[in-house]
Amino acid sequence: KQEVTQIPAALSVPEGENLVLNCSFTDSAIYNLQWFRQDPGKGLTSLLLIQSSQREQTSGRLNASLDKSSGRSTLYIAASQPGDSATYLCAATQKNNNNDMRFGAGTRLTVKP
Amino acid sequence: EAGVAQSPRYKIIEKRQSVAFWCNPISGHATLYWYQQILGQGPKLLIQFQNNGVVDDSQLPKDRFSAERLKGVDSTLKIQPAKLEDSAVYLCASRLSGTVNTEAFFGQGTRLTVV
Repeated sequence: KQEVTQIPAALSVPEGENLVLNCSFTDSAIYNLQWFRQDPGKGLTSLLLIQSSQREQTSGRLNASLDKSSGRSTLYIAASQPGDSATYLCAATQKNNNNDMRFGAGTRLTVKP
Repeated sequence: EAGVAQSPRYKIIEKRQSVAFWCNPISGHATLYWYQQILGQGPKLLIQFQNNGVVDDSQLPKDRFSAERLKGVDSTLKIQPAKLEDSAVYLCASRLSGTVNTEAFFGQGTRLTVV
C-alpha cells in the first residue's frame, strides 16, 4: 500500500529565501506526482504535475523534481514571498487497477516579511 | 472553463443527523473523487468514480456513508447518521477521462462540523 510522507510538517522562512519541500513515497509504481497548494479554509490548487517519465517541471518560481527510483520528489520555491504562505501537498497517482491518488499530510509554509 | 463546484460550503449538524454534499465536476471529466480531510492531515480518499461506476470505495465507511453518480456527471455524498469524528472538510475532485497523466482539479470543499 502506498505511503506518502512530507517532511517537514511546518517550515518558517524569511522573505526572499529559496526553499525546498520534500515528498517521499514507498511504491514507485506511479503514473505521476502532483503538487498542490492549500490556503486556509480553501480547496486545493494544482501547482505542477510530473509524469513518471519526467525528471522535473517548472512554473514561474516553482520547480518540481521527481526521482522515481528513490521514491522522492521535491518542490523548490525561489525567492519566497509572504503570499507563498500556505500548506503544500503532494499526491501520487498509483499505477494499479484503480489509478487512485494518495496524499501526504502536507508542509505548512510561513514566509515572514 | 468552470471549475469543480461543491455545495454547501459549510454545514453544522448534530450527531446522529444526516447530511448530503453535492459536487459538479469539470465538464467532460469522467473521473470523480471524494476525499475527507481532517484538520492537520492530508486528504483521504473515500470513493472514486469512473463515469457512473465505482472504481474504489475501500476506505468508505459503508455503514454510514454512501455516494452516487447516477448519470456520470454530478455526484452526491451522504452521511447518515453523522458522528462527531466526521467533522472534516469534504473535497471533490475530477480528472479527464482516458488518461491519468492529466491534472486533478479540486473544488473549494464543504466544511462539516458535527456537534
